[in-house]
Amino acid sequence: QKEVEQDPGPLSVPEGAIVSLNCTYSNSAFQYFMWYRQYSRKGPELLMYTYSSGNKEDGRFTAQVDKSSKYISLFIRDSQPSDSATYLCAMSFDRGSTLGRLYFGRGTQLTVWP
Amino acid sequence: DVKVTQSSRYLVKRTGEKVFLECVQDMDHENMFWYRQDPGLGLRLIYFSYDVKMKEKGDIPEGYSVSREKKERFSLILESASTNQTSMYLCASSLGLAGGGYEQYFGPGTRLTVT
Repeated sequence: QKEVEQDPGPLSVPEGAIVSLNCTYSNSAFQYFMWYRQYSRKGPELLMYTYSSGNKEDGRFTAQVDKSSKYISLFIRDSQPSDSATYLCAMSFDRGSTLGRLYFGRGTQLTVWP
Repeated sequence: DVKVTQSSRYLVKRTGEKVFLECVQDMDHENMFWYRQDPGLGLRLIYFSYDVKMKEKGDIPEGYSVSREKKERFSLILESASTNQTSMYLCASSLGLAGGGYEQYFGPGTRLTVT
């Protein structure tokens, strides 16, 4: 079993829709949670970064972490065609010998059509 | 803004050639990482480094080596390129444990084709 599971999609929604992207994980020691956006043929760019449980909002984007369920989500409100990309979740342990490595989901491909 | 640059966007090499991929970051980050990304397989960690001249194997180090002679530069070396190393290669850096910064910043990627 992979440590981080993410449905690859593809997910296709109309412009203006609310998008929900999710990841589950198996190791309860994960403490830092991130979402990256990757446009085609580009490197991933950091979208959201949260520590432990709770919500974080940035414009149209909201990241949620539910550590009791080992489940994280990214919500995109009022989705735009420019949001069409692959979204990757990533997580990290707090301390220890992992030296800051991240564990990634495989990514969900999202298309927002006008 | 953090900037991570990679020496080439596209590279075509022949089987058996020695290939060097260079990565430079300009934010004095402690940690640097090399990944490859393939359709359906996601990002896979090849090697990472948490200090100059220090390196750690990731999940798929076979066929690769790395060099970190200066803090800002991390090189990935394919000793003898093979067709199964055709992939997108991504470099990333992060502040490091001392600074509490775990988030990684990625370069634009190098699409390597081995023929």
